[in-house]
Amino acid sequence: QSVLTQPPSASGSPGQTVTISCTGTAGDVGGYDYVSWYQQHPGKTPKLLIYEVTHRPSGVPDRFSGSKSGSTASLTVSGLQAEDEADYYCSSYVGRSAFVFGGGTKLTVL
Amino acid sequence: EVQLVQSGGEVKKPGESLRISCKGSGYTFTRYWISWVRQMPGKGLEWMGRIDPSDSYTVYSPSFHGHVTISVDRSISTTYLEWSSLRASDTAIYYCAISPSGGYFDPWGQGTLVTASS
Repeated sequence: QSVLTQPPSASGSPGQTVTISCTGTAGDVGGYDYVSWYQQHPGKTPKLLIYEVTHRPSGVPDRFSGSKSGSTASLTVSGLQAEDEADYYCSSYVGRSAFVFGGGTKLTVL
Repeated sequence: EVQLVQSGGEVKKPGESLRISCKGSGYTFTRYWISWVRQMPGKGLEWMGRIDPSDSYTVYSPSFHGHVTISVDRSISTTYLEWSSLRASDTAIYYCAISPSGGYFDPWGQGTLVTASS
C-alpha cells in the first residue's frame, strides 16, 4: 500500500483559513468514505479530528472541517489559532480490513 | 470511559524478542478492532495491522507482514504486538488504537517507546 500524499508543510496567520490536502487513489481515498484526520502535538498522542470524510467528534471545534473530491480529501482549519500548530495526518481505509496513513503535514501558525 | 493502556517503554538489543501490550477497558473488548501504529523518531504514522478481538482475525500491512505478530488474550482484554528478532530500525513509538466502526482510530493508547540498540 502506498502512503497517501500530503504537503510536508502548511502555514497561516491567526484568523486565516488553511486547507491541507490528502491525495490517494481510487483504491483508497477515492473508493471509500472512510477518510479520517488526526492532530498530533509534539510528544503527544494523535487525536481524532474528522472521521468518515466530514464528521467531527464531539469536543472538536467546528473550525475543523473535512471534505473529499474524487481521490483527494481535504482538512480545512478556519479561524486559525496558535494552538492549531501541530502535525496533521490523514488516513483512509483501503479495503480488506486494511488502512493507510498520509505522510503528515506540519502546520505552522505565523 | 473507553481507554487503552499500553505497557511501559522497553530497551532491547537487536536480535532479541519482545512483546508489548495494550489493555482495553470501559467497553466490550470484543466489539471493536484494535490497530497498531508505528511512529519512528521524527517521522509520520504508519499503520501496521489490526486484530478483531472477537475471533483473533488479523490483517497486516505488507510493510510489516512477517516481521511482527499481533495477538489477543480475550480473558484479560489485552492485545499484543510481538517481535521474535528486533532490528535497530524497530526503534519507534508504537500506539494501539480502537476502530469503533472500522474506519477510523479513536481512542489511542498512550504509546510504548521501543528502543533497539546494541
